[in-house]
Amino acid sequence: DQQVKQNSPSLSVQEGRISILNCDYTNSMFDYFLWYKKYPAEGPTFLISISSIKDKNEDGRFTVFLNKSAKHLSLHIVPSQPGDSAVYFCAARGYQKVTFGTGTKLQVIP
Amino acid sequence: NAGVTQTPKFQVLKTGQSMTLQCAQDMNHEYMSWYRQDPGMGLRLIHYSVGAGITDQGEVPNGYNVSRSTTEDFPLRLLSAAPSQTSVYFCASSYSAGLAINEQFFGPGTRLTVL
Repeated sequence: DQQVKQNSPSLSVQEGRISILNCDYTNSMFDYFLWYKKYPAEGPTFLISISSIKDKNEDGRFTVFLNKSAKHLSLHIVPSQPGDSAVYFCAARGYQKVTFGTGTKLQVIP
Repeated sequence: NAGVTQTPKFQVLKTGQSMTLQCAQDMNHEYMSWYRQDPGMGLRLIHYSVGAGITDQGEVPNGYNVSRSTTEDFPLRLLSAAPSQTSVYFCASSYSAGLAINEQFFGPGTRLTVL
């Protein structure tokens, strides 16, 4: 039972354009959501997070939006840069555990 | 600070062998966890610990044991390796406020192949 889903395994975007990565969840008890970025042969690194009491959080080029009624969150990257090419994982916090999605591989084309 | 360190980086085992994956952190984090990453499956939680002496099972605990005798170390033991345990293993640690886990810091991973 996949509680956190990233339905797009891959995404290609032109440099300078917006990248939108999506994530859906099923457990209404999740209270905190995070995005991680992963380069090949490295561990994931934290990117941005949002509390369930908010609907938007911004950090530079990265913005996360949360729609609780739809159990949906998205990560916007504007403008996209070639260095953003990586796998992005959505994650959701429950009681003592964090559940990850399957990841979306973003390719930013110069 | 070294952050989260994992050893070894690579390991090849034969079916039935046992081994321990080492994980250490120097950030005085209470919360530590082990994940495995498989193609198309994302990161799946194996075991976690909310503090020294306390461990619990995650989503895929079968075939693995853990212990947490110190705040710094959280080793993962494979009791009798099976080909299904071929994967990349990540250790992570986090500051936790009460029961709320904050952002996790990940190690570089151990790539394990079981023949």
